[in-house]
Amino acid sequence: EVVLTQSPLSLPVTLGQPASISCRSSQSLVFSDGNTYLNWYQQRPGQSPRRLIHTVSNRDSGVPDRFSGRGSGTDFTLTISRVEADDVAIYYCMQGTQWPYSFGQGTKLDIK
Amino acid sequence: QVQLLQSGAEVKKPGSSVKVSCKASGGIFNSMVISWVRQAPGQGLECMGRIIPIFGTTNYTQNFQDRLTITADASTTTVFMELSDLRRDDTAVYYCARLGVPGPWGQGTMVTVSS
Repeated sequence: EVVLTQSPLSLPVTLGQPASISCRSSQSLVFSDGNTYLNWYQQRPGQSPRRLIHTVSNRDSGVPDRFSGRGSGTDFTLTISRVEADDVAIYYCMQGTQWPYSFGQGTKLDIK
Repeated sequence: QVQLLQSGAEVKKPGSSVKVSCKASGGIFNSMVISWVRQAPGQGLECMGRIIPIFGTTNYTQNFQDRLTITADASTTTVFMELSDLRRDDTAVYYCARLGVPGPWGQGTMVTVSS
């Protein structure tokens, strides 16, 4: 089973400043088709999770370009270039390469 | 866009079962893969299992293998998640979701297990 480890687990950020979250996998997330099924989700307080990024670096429709993803193999990063108040949420990485799918523990972003 | 609408909150006693529904609209039901994810209070997300209606196949994670049944009814485009032998630590919000594609998750169903 693939274990995803996020860091940090808590991320206080000043408005307008960048923020980065790391996600490390216990094994390579490259699938046999050559794709890497590593996604990022945002869960605002009291809401269902919403996918932001799929296959490492592809933003979903409607996601601001302040959000970006990068990485390969076992190391991945979600970056918010300039944090806004609306970004207060818990962020999860999720792998869809190997069943059972798994999530990281979550990183809680709030405003300093 | 596909919408997923879940049934309402449930309160159950330890040892009983709960069945939560998830109605899909706006897409081709049989081509969907619908997963169930749960979130205990203040905790993270845990994948439970999935169903592929067109093949009638299900996959369950090891934690739920013995207690979880996921079914689908194509005539009503509804997926059901039934969890048996409930324990207090099954208290959680249960979500249905299409994890491999964009689009909203269900709104979540709170299941409380209490005597």
